[in-house]
Amino acid sequence: ETGVTQTPRHLVMGMTNKKSLKCEQHLGHNAMYWYKQSAKKPLELMFVYNFKEQTENNSVPSRFSPECPNSSHLFLHLHTLQPEDSALYLCASSQVGVRMNTEAFFGQGTRLTVV
Amino acid sequence: AQSVTQLGSHVSVSEGALVLLRCNYSSSVPPYLFWYVQYPNQGLQLLLKYTTGATLVKGINGFEAEFKKSETSFHLTKPSAHMSDAAEYFCAVSAGNYQLIWGAGTKLIIKP
Repeated sequence: ETGVTQTPRHLVMGMTNKKSLKCEQHLGHNAMYWYKQSAKKPLELMFVYNFKEQTENNSVPSRFSPECPNSSHLFLHLHTLQPEDSALYLCASSQVGVRMNTEAFFGQGTRLTVV
Repeated sequence: AQSVTQLGSHVSVSEGALVLLRCNYSSSVPPYLFWYVQYPNQGLQLLLKYTTGATLVKGINGFEAEFKKSETSFHLTKPSAHMSDAAEYFCAVSAGNYQLIWGAGTKLIIKP
Protein backbone atom coordinates (compact mmCIF):
# COMPACT_ATOMS: atom_id res chain seq x y z
CA GLU A 1 0.00 0.00 0.00
CA THR A 2 1.27 3.48 -0.80
CA GLY A 3 0.65 7.02 0.37
CA VAL A 4 -1.19 8.03 3.52
CA THR A 5 -4.02 5.88 4.85
CA GLN A 6 -6.56 6.99 7.41
CA THR A 7 -9.07 4.84 9.26
CA PRO A 8 -11.93 4.92 9.77
CA ARG A 9 -13.31 7.01 6.89
CA HIS A 10 -16.47 7.82 8.83
CA LEU A 11 -17.11 7.89 12.57
CA VAL A 12 -20.19 8.77 14.59
CA MET A 13 -19.67 9.03 18.31
CA GLY A 14 -21.54 10.20 21.37
CA MET A 15 -20.18 12.90 23.62
CA THR A 16 -19.24 10.37 26.30
CA ASN A 17 -17.47 7.93 23.97
CA LYS A 18 -13.75 7.34 23.54
CA LYS A 19 -12.47 6.63 20.05
CA SER A 20 -9.23 6.85 18.10
CA LEU A 21 -8.35 7.91 14.59
CA LYS A 22 -5.46 6.15 12.91
CA CYS A 23 -3.06 7.34 10.24
CA GLU A 24 -0.29 5.41 8.52
CA GLN A 25 2.16 6.70 5.95
CA HIS A 26 4.17 4.51 3.58
CA LEU A 27 6.32 7.29 2.14
CA GLY A 28 9.29 7.22 4.50
CA HIS A 29 8.59 10.77 5.66
CA ASN A 30 9.87 12.18 8.94
CA ALA A 31 6.98 14.52 9.82
CA MET A 32 3.28 13.88 10.35
CA TYR A 33 0.37 16.23 10.95
CA TRP A 34 -3.23 16.35 12.11
CA TYR A 35 -5.50 18.95 10.56
CA LYS A 36 -9.11 19.81 11.30
CA GLN A 37 -11.32 21.01 8.45
CA SER A 38 -14.70 22.45 9.40
CA ALA A 39 -17.31 23.80 7.03
CA LYS A 40 -16.66 27.40 5.99
CA LYS A 41 -13.41 27.63 7.99
CA PRO A 42 -9.76 27.44 6.85
CA LEU A 43 -7.70 24.36 7.45
CA GLU A 44 -6.61 24.26 11.08
CA LEU A 45 -3.28 22.67 11.95
CA MET A 46 -3.71 20.76 15.21
CA PHE A 47 -0.51 18.83 15.86
CA VAL A 48 2.88 18.33 14.24
CA TYR A 49 5.27 15.48 14.89
CA ASN A 50 8.81 15.59 13.58
CA PHE A 51 10.91 12.47 14.07
CA LYS A 52 8.20 11.26 16.51
CA GLU A 53 8.58 14.37 18.68
CA GLN A 54 5.66 16.73 18.98
CA THR A 55 6.80 20.12 17.77
CA GLU A 56 3.49 21.96 17.52
CA ASN A 57 0.29 21.99 19.50
CA ASN A 58 -1.85 24.80 18.26
CA SER A 59 -3.96 25.40 21.38
CA VAL A 60 -5.93 22.23 20.84
CA PRO A 61 -8.32 21.22 23.68
CA SER A 62 -7.14 18.35 25.83
CA ARG A 63 -10.06 16.19 24.69
CA PHE A 64 -7.87 15.62 21.62
CA SER A 65 -4.77 13.58 22.45
CA PRO A 66 -2.22 12.69 19.75
CA GLU A 67 0.16 9.76 19.80
CA CYS A 68 3.05 9.04 17.47
CA PRO A 69 4.63 5.67 18.32
CA ASN A 70 6.94 5.73 15.28
CA SER A 71 7.54 7.82 12.21
CA SER A 72 4.98 5.87 10.16
CA HIS A 73 2.00 5.91 12.51
CA LEU A 74 -0.04 8.68 14.05
CA PHE A 75 -3.13 8.45 16.23
CA LEU A 76 -5.65 10.96 17.47
CA HIS A 77 -7.41 9.84 20.63
CA LEU A 78 -10.79 11.40 21.21
CA HIS A 79 -12.81 11.62 24.42
CA THR A 80 -15.76 13.66 25.69
CA LEU A 81 -16.03 15.55 22.44
CA GLN A 82 -18.51 18.31 21.72
CA PRO A 83 -20.84 18.66 18.73
CA GLU A 84 -18.67 21.52 17.41
CA ASP A 85 -15.83 19.02 17.05
CA SER A 86 -17.69 17.45 14.13
CA ALA A 87 -15.45 17.95 11.12
CA LEU A 88 -13.20 16.27 8.57
CA TYR A 89 -9.92 15.27 10.24
CA LEU A 90 -7.02 15.04 7.86
CA CYS A 91 -3.67 13.40 8.40
CA ALA A 92 -0.66 14.39 6.33
CA SER A 93 3.03 13.61 6.10
CA SER A 94 6.04 15.33 4.61
CA GLN A 95 9.80 15.14 4.46
CA VAL A 96 11.35 18.00 6.39
CA GLY A 97 14.81 19.08 5.31
CA VAL A 98 17.45 21.32 6.80
CA ARG A 99 15.72 24.47 5.67
CA MET A 100 12.65 23.72 3.68
CA ASN A 101 9.54 21.61 4.02
CA THR A 102 8.52 19.59 0.98
CA GLU A 103 4.92 19.20 -0.01
CA ALA A 104 2.50 17.44 2.32
CA PHE A 105 0.76 14.26 1.29
CA PHE A 106 -2.72 13.82 2.68
CA GLY A 107 -4.89 10.91 3.63
CA GLN A 108 -8.54 10.71 2.60
CA GLY A 109 -9.68 12.01 5.96
CA THR A 110 -12.04 10.82 8.66
CA ARG A 111 -15.48 12.42 8.68
CA LEU A 112 -16.34 12.71 12.38
CA THR A 113 -19.84 13.40 13.64
CA VAL A 114 -20.38 13.98 17.35
CA VAL A 115 -23.97 13.43 18.50
CA ALA B 1 5.89 35.57 9.27
CA GLN B 2 4.28 33.97 6.28
CA SER B 3 0.70 34.36 5.12
CA VAL B 4 -1.46 33.43 2.14
CA THR B 5 -4.48 35.23 0.73
CA GLN B 6 -6.81 33.67 -1.80
CA LEU B 7 -9.08 36.17 -3.48
CA GLY B 8 -12.63 34.94 -3.76
CA SER B 9 -14.12 32.12 -1.69
CA HIS B 10 -16.13 31.07 -4.77
CA VAL B 11 -15.28 31.39 -8.46
CA SER B 12 -17.77 30.45 -11.15
CA VAL B 13 -16.79 29.87 -14.78
CA SER B 14 -18.49 28.31 -17.78
CA GLU B 15 -17.31 25.00 -19.15
CA GLY B 16 -14.59 25.69 -21.71
CA ALA B 17 -13.72 29.10 -20.26
CA LEU B 18 -10.45 30.20 -18.69
CA VAL B 19 -9.95 29.36 -15.03
CA LEU B 20 -8.04 31.89 -12.89
CA LEU B 21 -7.69 31.39 -9.15
CA ARG B 22 -5.72 34.05 -7.32
CA CYS B 23 -3.16 33.57 -4.58
CA ASN B 24 -0.95 36.19 -2.94
CA TYR B 25 1.58 35.42 -0.26
CA SER B 26 3.92 37.15 2.10
CA SER B 27 7.20 35.65 3.19
CA SER B 28 10.41 36.97 4.67
CA VAL B 29 12.46 34.26 2.93
CA PRO B 30 12.25 32.78 -0.57
CA PRO B 31 9.11 30.68 -0.45
CA TYR B 32 8.08 27.30 -1.69
CA LEU B 33 4.55 27.60 -3.07
CA PHE B 34 1.90 24.95 -3.59
CA TRP B 35 -1.56 24.49 -5.05
CA TYR B 36 -3.75 21.65 -3.81
CA VAL B 37 -7.17 20.44 -4.93
CA GLN B 38 -9.82 18.85 -2.74
CA TYR B 39 -12.86 16.97 -4.01
CA PRO B 40 -15.84 16.51 -1.64
CA ASN B 41 -15.06 14.33 1.39
CA GLN B 42 -11.55 13.65 0.14
CA GLY B 43 -8.09 14.64 1.26
CA LEU B 44 -6.01 17.28 -0.46
CA GLN B 45 -4.06 16.37 -3.58
CA LEU B 46 -1.04 18.27 -4.83
CA LEU B 47 -1.68 20.01 -8.16
CA LEU B 48 1.69 21.69 -8.58
CA LYS B 49 4.52 23.35 -6.71
CA TYR B 50 7.17 26.01 -7.14
CA THR B 51 10.51 25.64 -5.39
CA THR B 52 13.26 27.24 -7.46
CA GLY B 53 14.05 27.71 -11.13
CA ALA B 54 11.44 28.19 -13.83
CA THR B 55 8.70 30.49 -12.63
CA LEU B 56 5.97 28.92 -14.79
CA VAL B 57 5.05 25.61 -13.26
CA LYS B 58 2.91 22.98 -14.92
CA GLY B 59 0.83 20.58 -12.88
CA ILE B 60 -1.67 17.81 -13.26
CA ASN B 61 -5.03 18.05 -15.04
CA GLY B 62 -3.84 20.87 -17.32
CA PHE B 63 -3.29 23.42 -14.57
CA GLU B 64 -0.34 25.76 -14.35
CA ALA B 65 0.78 28.60 -12.10
CA GLU B 66 3.29 31.40 -12.41
CA PHE B 67 5.46 32.65 -9.57
CA LYS B 68 5.76 36.44 -9.74
CA LYS B 69 8.11 37.65 -7.07
CA SER B 70 7.49 41.34 -7.74
CA GLU B 71 3.76 40.84 -7.26
CA THR B 72 4.10 38.20 -4.51
CA SER B 73 1.60 36.14 -6.44
CA PHE B 74 1.17 32.53 -7.50
CA HIS B 75 -2.07 32.46 -9.48
CA LEU B 76 -3.46 29.18 -10.81
CA THR B 77 -4.78 28.97 -14.36
CA LYS B 78 -6.26 26.49 -16.80
CA PRO B 79 -7.10 27.48 -20.37
CA SER B 80 -10.36 25.54 -20.64
CA ALA B 81 -12.50 24.48 -17.69
CA HIS B 82 -14.01 21.02 -17.51
CA MET B 83 -16.89 19.88 -15.35
CA SER B 84 -14.51 17.57 -13.49
CA ASP B 85 -12.51 20.61 -12.30
CA ALA B 86 -15.27 21.54 -9.87
CA ALA B 87 -13.60 21.30 -6.46
CA GLU B 88 -12.00 23.42 -3.77
CA TYR B 89 -8.50 24.74 -4.39
CA PHE B 90 -5.98 25.69 -1.73
CA CYS B 91 -2.80 27.72 -2.04
CA ALA B 92 -0.04 27.20 0.53
CA VAL B 93 3.42 28.57 1.32
CA SER B 94 6.29 26.87 3.10
CA ALA B 95 9.21 28.90 4.34
CA GLY B 96 11.57 27.22 6.69
CA ASN B 97 9.66 25.46 9.43
CA TYR B 98 7.55 22.35 9.68
CA GLN B 99 4.33 24.03 8.68
CA LEU B 100 2.56 24.87 5.47
CA ILE B 101 0.64 28.13 5.74
CA TRP B 102 -2.71 27.74 4.02
CA GLY B 103 -5.06 30.04 2.21
CA ALA B 104 -8.76 29.85 3.05
CA GLY B 105 -9.55 28.01 -0.17
CA THR B 106 -11.52 28.85 -3.31
CA LYS B 107 -14.46 26.76 -4.46
CA LEU B 108 -14.48 26.46 -8.25
CA ILE B 109 -17.93 26.10 -9.77
CA ILE B 110 -18.27 25.06 -13.40
CA LYS B 111 -21.43 26.09 -15.24
CA PRO B 112 -22.53 23.83 -18.11
